[in-house]
Amino acid sequence: SQQGEEDPQALSIQEGENATMNCSYKTSINNLQWYRQNSGRGLVHLILIRSNEREKHSGRLRVTLDTSKKSSSLLITASRAADTASYFCATGEQAGTALIFGKGTTLSVSS
Amino acid sequence: DAGITQSPRHKVTETGTPVTLRCHQTENHRYMYWYRQDPGHGLRLIHYSYGVKDTDKGEVSDGYSVSRSKTEDFLLTLESATSSQTSVYFCAISEETASYNEQFFGPGTRLTVL
Repeated sequence: SQQGEEDPQALSIQEGENATMNCSYKTSINNLQWYRQNSGRGLVHLILIRSNEREKHSGRLRVTLDTSKKSSSLLITASRAADTASYFCATGEQAGTALIFGKGTTLSVSS
Repeated sequence: DAGITQSPRHKVTETGTPVTLRCHQTENHRYMYWYRQDPGHGLRLIHYSYGVKDTDKGEVSDGYSVSRSKTEDFLLTLESATSSQTSVYFCAISEETASYNEQFFGPGTRLTVL
């Protein structure tokens, strides 16, 4: 069953704007991860945040986690056309266990 | 794509025929996974492996079987393909030594069952 649900399903912005995607999940987690998928390609890991962390940064990415609300957000600052892709959140446990993915947010960045 | 290849990349087959998809890794990672991706459903786990000859079922395992006779290869078999198995199939791997289950994905196989 689906664990994460991303919101919005689709997002269109202009280059240079910020893009925010949200993810809600249902059960307790060990960690939450965000992945990017370019059209016709496999998923690429972007960032992982542990359940005891509240915020994490990686380049232009900022992820927050609120375990009390069972939600996470991914912020991409100063978006570029190359950021056009689908973004998925996934919840996980320890190494060797499967991830449970949400349905994704499709981001379109126009120049 | 992190030393993961999938073959074939595209396949068209007919209902009732057997199909085998192959995932090959050069990373020597212990864990391997098969997912399917469908519009409106995201990625769903079919089967996974935690070592040679050690496999377990995922959320949508009905109609699929897997085998792992070597660390580097994880095979997904559709014994008798059905149209509902038309999908894009992704293989993923993760390390045994990782504290968390970050996964690395292959490029995918697009399967069409007519």
